[in-house]
Amino acid sequence: AQTVTQSQPEMSVQEAETVTLSCTYDTSESDYYLFWYKQPPSRQMILVIRQEAYKQQNATENRFSVNFQKAAKSFSLKISDSQLGDAAMYFCAYRSPYGNTDKLIFGTGTRLQVFP
Amino acid sequence: EAGVAQSPRYKIIEKRQSVAFWCNPISGHATLYWYQQILGQGPKLLIQFQNNGVVDDSQLPKDRFSAERLKGVDSTLKIQPAKLEDSAVYLCASSLAVSDPVPYEQYFGPGTRLTVT
Repeated sequence: AQTVTQSQPEMSVQEAETVTLSCTYDTSESDYYLFWYKQPPSRQMILVIRQEAYKQQNATENRFSVNFQKAAKSFSLKISDSQLGDAAMYFCAYRSPYGNTDKLIFGTGTRLQVFP
Repeated sequence: EAGVAQSPRYKIIEKRQSVAFWCNPISGHATLYWYQQILGQGPKLLIQFQNNGVVDDSQLPKDRFSAERLKGVDSTLKIQPAKLEDSAVYLCASSLAVSDPVPYEQYFGPGTRLTVT
């Protein structure tokens, strides 16, 4: 079975600085999808970025980018020019392309605090 | 475009009582998911519907949890009887369709926070 591990329960960053959130996963599959979700206090999960395992190029969405290391099974999220609105819980998630389910397997999350 | 709607936002019940949660997905979305998020954990899929059929309910505790999506639109998740360990946020999500094979984005609602005392 696949597992996702986020070893940083909390992180903090100063406004305008850069922060990196870590995620590792375990799988025997060669193809899969990885995601980072943001969950603000409103509880609504919002997709931040996604990565297809067959793509070597790291995904980027504006100030958000990932460092995908397939061999190491590592998928970290870098937030550049941090803003107060980035404060939230961040979840890393895995999805297998096999089978008939779209189940997302989530890590335990990292709480990001942003200080002015 | 309206997002995924859920109600109620909060619910407090005593153990052994029953409770129901409602979800209305984004218009046109064929796939609907219910996730359970216990405090300090990531969400865990309970059940996935494709239209009004069940795709995956392998992690649904069927002795006390039930869910339906009768007309392939809105859905209800019920717990009967509730236990203390059912205290969690129940998130509903929807997507355009089942992945084929590239996954469609799952859009989440604001969730229902259930407290069982």
